[in-house]
Amino acid sequence: EPEVTQTPSHQVTQMGQEVILRCVPISNHLYFYWYRQILGQKVEFLVSFYNNEISEKSEIFDDQFSVERPDGSNFTLKIRSTKLEDSAMYFCASSEGVTAESYEQYFGPGTRLTVT
Amino acid sequence: QQQVKQSPQSLIVQKGGISIINCAYENTAFDYFPWYQQFPGKGPALLIAIRPDVSEKKEGRFTISFNKSAKQFSLHIMDSQPGDSATYFCAASPGTGNQFYFGTGTSLTVIP
Repeated sequence: EPEVTQTPSHQVTQMGQEVILRCVPISNHLYFYWYRQILGQKVEFLVSFYNNEISEKSEIFDDQFSVERPDGSNFTLKIRSTKLEDSAMYFCASSEGVTAESYEQYFGPGTRLTVT
Repeated sequence: QQQVKQSPQSLIVQKGGISIINCAYENTAFDYFPWYQQFPGKGPALLIAIRPDVSEKKEGRFTISFNKSAKQFSLHIMDSQPGDSATYFCAASPGTGNQFYFGTGTSLTVIP
């Protein structure tokens, strides 16, 4: 069964450093998303991406964040200068987006980001 | 502003019992309501979902009940098993490609 994959599973970085989190969405999906989950809290939306551009973003997704689809398979989230409060689990998700019925979003296993 | 409110925060059920988790929303533009199951250290996994044109959807031991007029929906887990012990999140979305608004989660423990 196709699945969303993410690398690395755990990333430790120092405050102020740049990090890139990588995702490979399900191959025939057209919509891509990043969410984050601070330990013990709910899942929060960061950004959605469609047709090579951001379609929606939350207040959390400020100028320190950027997303890119550098090739036909990868989808990346870059945090330019990490802060302690960026420590969280980051989930990539994708959805088919072809038909009006294709609402389902499938989540990857996540990348645990620890900022020290 | 919390778009989706979920309760209870935690739930303990005996094996074989019924687990019930409730969610409420305000935004009438929402038209897709999924439930996700999450085990520690894993990503949320889609469990079951409903559109507002039906009042109930059942898949195996999992049932969603949906009350459009009250803007509430709930997850019922019948014959709860220890393997169901996980955190459950409800969510809502206004449409294809739109963000999911998640509830705060319910930690379910099923006691053998």
